[in-house]
Amino acid sequence: DADVTQTPRNRITKTGKRIMLECSQTKGHDRMYWYRQDPGLGLRLIYYSFDVKDINKGEISDGYSVSRQAQAKFSLSLESAIPNQTALYFCATSARGGTGQPQHFGDGTRLSIL
Amino acid sequence: GDSVTQMEGPVTLSEEAFLTINCTYTATGYPSLFWYVQYPGEGLQLLLKATKADDKGSNKGFEATYRKETTSFHLEKGSVQVSDSAVYFCALSMTGGTSYGKLTFGQGTILTVHP
Repeated sequence: DADVTQTPRNRITKTGKRIMLECSQTKGHDRMYWYRQDPGLGLRLIYYSFDVKDINKGEISDGYSVSRQAQAKFSLSLESAIPNQTALYFCATSARGGTGQPQHFGDGTRLSIL
Repeated sequence: GDSVTQMEGPVTLSEEAFLTINCTYTATGYPSLFWYVQYPGEGLQLLLKATKADDKGSNKGFEATYRKETTSFHLEKGSVQVSDSAVYFCALSMTGGTSYGKLTFGQGTILTVHP
């Protein structure tokens, strides 16, 4: 079983719809992250959470919200989807510690907004 | 702010060729540096890392040395295989302030290796 699981893997929806992407992890890590990947732009951080009661905006949080339901679960919502939110979305986790702690990624959710 | 710049891709090589993917960074402090690899249809996987100047990270025949004087972390492999075809990302993580623990990625370099 994957350590970081994202659902759904693919989603096609229409402009204006509310969408939730879910992430769960079995690694026991405190820290969780949401990124989006666009061609030629690498990965950009949307939100991150260093523990259940800690939620922080990343560099591109506008139009997104998150919920940390438990240590193992971190969901990303698009309240009213728009076409330029079409992208590949990744959840990641990391352990506490110094900056040398690597992040562990799920396999991604491919989201298309028509 | 912090940033990472990778060489433009895509890179196309024949099997057993030497690989270099350049990566330079801008940071106000002393970051940890990473290379991640993304195979088709998958998430990113850590390939190697270095946490201080002059450290060399290595894994699966890949190497990269943390060069503080040139702010670089170039990825190298002496003999690539078809199975190395993937997208490679350089990234940094800062030590303090509001950036602590967060990764900043380069734009990624697509590598294709032909038999």
